[in-house]
Amino acid sequence: DGGITQSPKYLFRKEGQNVTLSCEQNLNHDAMYWYRQDPGQGLRLIYYSQIVNDFQKGDIAEGYSVSREKKESFPLTVTSAQKNPTAFYLCASSQGTAGGYEQYFGPGTRLTVT
Amino acid sequence: EDQVTQSPEALRLQEGESSSLNCSYTVSGLRGLFWYRQDPGKGPEFLFTLYSAGEEKEKERLKATLTKKESFLHITAPKPEDSATYLCAARGGGGATNKLIFGTGTLLAVQP
Repeated sequence: DGGITQSPKYLFRKEGQNVTLSCEQNLNHDAMYWYRQDPGQGLRLIYYSQIVNDFQKGDIAEGYSVSREKKESFPLTVTSAQKNPTAFYLCASSQGTAGGYEQYFGPGTRLTVT
Repeated sequence: EDQVTQSPEALRLQEGESSSLNCSYTVSGLRGLFWYRQDPGKGPEFLFTLYSAGEEKEKERLKATLTKKESFLHITAPKPEDSATYLCAARGGGGATNKLIFGTGTLLAVQP
């Protein structure tokens, strides 16, 4: 089955620790995205990558970092500099310019920092 | 500034009671209007893409339509399993990115 996997589903960390969220896709999509979802707010774009070894900041990139070393993988690191890291994190992918622009989402990771 | 606004924030329907959800957008050079369904604690599920005013797409009890200023998601004779949050998103023409701008969603509850 083609799709996007995110792991883990739930993640708990102490304040001051960095944490990395995994995102893998086997859809052969060029573009990948990270969003953050908070209650009562729309999805907010953290980082996106349109091609391997290249990525751009989204609207709320401060306190986050990413890498795109492989087409299938786009891990997100939440650093200790992120002031309010507790949220639901969603990874997505799309074909981009090679096809449709609709984004397909993974199941999400709920991060709780105390 | 590009913006997407959804209304109402929440909607409660009786089973079989048809209604519509609204998504208004102010996006320069719209290059796609997308609808998603999101169940609690899960990632959004893609439903439809609309590209031009007058376009319509249907899937089971759902029909999405698009005008130059807004999109509607019509739900005909809804069932309890249609209960979810419905998100819309727009892709603008500025730049060469695939970025989507999301609304805050409409929480739909269908009671038996």
